[in-house]
Amino acid sequence: DGGITQSPKYLFRKEGQNVTLSCEQNLNHDAMYWYRQDPGQGLRLIYYSQIVNDFQKGDIAEGYSVSREKKESFPLTVTSAQKNPTAFYLCASSIAGTENTEAFFGQGTRLTVV
Amino acid sequence: AQTVTQSQPEMSVQEAETVTLSCTYDTSESDYYLFWYKQPPSRQMILVIRQEAYKQQNATENRFSVNFQKAAKSFSLKISDSQLGDAAMYFCAYRSAFTGTASKLTFGTGTRLQVTL
Repeated sequence: DGGITQSPKYLFRKEGQNVTLSCEQNLNHDAMYWYRQDPGQGLRLIYYSQIVNDFQKGDIAEGYSVSREKKESFPLTVTSAQKNPTAFYLCASSIAGTENTEAFFGQGTRLTVV
Repeated sequence: AQTVTQSQPEMSVQEAETVTLSCTYDTSESDYYLFWYKQPPSRQMILVIRQEAYKQQNATENRFSVNFQKAAKSFSLKISDSQLGDAAMYFCAYRSAFTGTASKLTFGTGTRLQVTL
């Protein structure tokens, strides 16, 4: 079945440590996205990529980094510079372009700083 | 920058009844897309319905329909014959239609829908 796989489902991080969230898709989509979800704030865009080896900052990129070495993969690293990393993180993908393309979402990763 | 506002943090509806969730947005663009996403307790985001701004006709998908008022920048979701499985968080989202914006979505803060017997 085609879809987006995020791992792990739950992740715990000690303060001062970097941690990487995995996102893999087999939908052959060019574009991929990372969103952060906090209670009462909806989803906010962290980074997005429209093509391999290229990515752009979203609205809340500070303290995060990404890479796009393969079309299928778009890992997100939460660095120690992110002051409040505890949140639910959602990865999405879509066909790139200007058409009314649906974004498909993974099941998310819950990150908790301990 | 575009903004999306959902003014109802929580709504409740009885099974088989109809409920309307509100959404307003602010944009200076003339061409865009609007979406309603559902997030059940599993937290998987599921597309419910979409609307192209250039279309005057309101979108419908089975029990789900929208009331799109472009001049008022309003995009409400109507759920008819509500079912227990409709209980979820509902997010309204905006996407620009301009080249180079990919499918970046701007979300509202969500409305939690409770369905009662």
